[in-house]
Amino acid sequence: KQEVTQIPAALSVPEGENLVLNCSFTDSAIYNLQWFRQDPGKGLTSLLLIQSSQREQTSGRLNASLDKSSGRSTLYIAASQPGDSATYLCAVRQWGNTGKLIFGQGTTLQVKP
Amino acid sequence: DVKVTQSSRYLVKRTGEKVFLECVQDMDHENMFWYRQDPGLGLRLIYFSYDVKMKEKGDIPEGYSVSREKKERFSLILESTSTNQTSMYLCASSPTSGSPGELFFGEGSRLTVL
Repeated sequence: KQEVTQIPAALSVPEGENLVLNCSFTDSAIYNLQWFRQDPGKGLTSLLLIQSSQREQTSGRLNASLDKSSGRSTLYIAASQPGDSATYLCAVRQWGNTGKLIFGQGTTLQVKP
Repeated sequence: DVKVTQSSRYLVKRTGEKVFLECVQDMDHENMFWYRQDPGLGLRLIYFSYDVKMKEKGDIPEGYSVSREKKERFSLILESTSTNQTSMYLCASSPTSGSPGELFFGEGSRLTVL
């Protein structure tokens, strides 16, 4: 059974720092992996999606990588800003399961001015 | 941009009342999902649907039912609410396999059962 883990559960950094959020999964037979952002009391916003055949995706200051063989993904945030403060969740989609995603518990990021 | 709209952002109900949560997506996605999110438990899948009138149970279907009469609309029904159904309910949609399969969420519905 696929399990997704995100460590640490919480992270606090000063503004301007580059940081890495980690996501690990137990079954490498994934269709894709998606990173989301969630602000308090709101829904999830899709940040980046990496297909199983890809190694990384970039959007602005965000870069997500995928290493299926080791069951790991990282989300790199460059030059962090207070507006980046949120909970970041990763989720994996398995092959042939009609789009069901399995979520990690998330990492809550605080960027201090 | 894909839009997933949930009908109610905040609801307060009394134990035993019926609740109807509606979700509409505008991107012709085949798949639609209902999750609940609770502190310490993360997101848990309640039900999902991969086509009109089709539904499958997720991880925690007890106490819930769903309806999908039209492709763009997926409703979550709580026939008789209980206090342990107090939660944030999130609807999502995605296209089928063969495409990137990105999942898009609505803004959520915060339900409080007294």
